[in-house]
Amino acid sequence: DTGVSQDPRHKITKRGQNVTFRCDPISEHNRLYWYRQTLGQGPEFLTYFQNEAQLEKSRLLSDRFSAERPKGSFSTLEIQRTEQGDSAMYLCASSLEGGVLEQYFGPGTRLTVT
Amino acid sequence: AQSVTQLDSHVSVSEGTPVLLRCNYSSSYSPSLFWYVQHPNKGLQLLLKYTSAATLVKGINGFEAEFKKSETSFHLTKPSAHMSDAAEYFCVVRARTGANNLFFGTGTRLTVIP
Repeated sequence: DTGVSQDPRHKITKRGQNVTFRCDPISEHNRLYWYRQTLGQGPEFLTYFQNEAQLEKSRLLSDRFSAERPKGSFSTLEIQRTEQGDSAMYLCASSLEGGVLEQYFGPGTRLTVT
Repeated sequence: AQSVTQLDSHVSVSEGTPVLLRCNYSSSYSPSLFWYVQHPNKGLQLLLKYTSAATLVKGINGFEAEFKKSETSFHLTKPSAHMSDAAEYFCVVRARTGANNLFFGTGTRLTVIP
C-alpha cells in the first residue's frame, strides 16, 4: 500500500504525559499537513510542511504542540503535558506541490487523554 | 475568509433512491471546492474537486457536484444510493487563494436504508 500511513492508530495516555505520533506521506509528495478532528466536527488545520520546512501553523497549535519533518519525508507531532481537551483524531495528509491541493489523508491517530 | 456550511447534519435515504447532500460556501473570489468522504475507521477520501473549469464535476463512485456561483452552492448528488455509500461526507474549501490548508464543513452523515 503506497498511501499515507500513521502510527499508532490509537493512543491512550494520562493527563500530563507526552505523546508523539508519526506520519509517513506518499513517497513523492513534498507537502505534508496535520489536522485535528474532534467528535462530530470536520478536521481543523494545524500545520503544514513543504519538504523539511514548516511553513504555516494554526492558532490551534499551542506551545505544547510541536511538529517536525527532519528529512522532508516522515513527520512527527508531539504533544507535551497532554490535557483532556487534546483528545481527538489527529490526521495527516500529503500532496504534491502546486495544483489545487489534492490532499491524500491517512487513517488518523485517535488520542484519548484520561 | 472562506467558509462552507453543510445544511444537513444527517441525511437518510433508501437504497436505490437519489442522494442530495447540500453545501453552501462563502468566498470573496472563485474558490476551490472539494467533497471528501470518511468511512468508519478509514482515512478521508477525495470524491471530487472543482477548480474553476467545468461547473458540473464528476467524481468517483457515481457522485457528482454542480458549482452554482449565483447560489454559492456546491451540492453533492448521486442518482442511486448504494449501501456502501453510508459514511460521513465533508464539503471542503481552500482556505484562501494561495493557502495551503483546507477548511472543512461540519459534515453530513449519510445513512442508507436497505
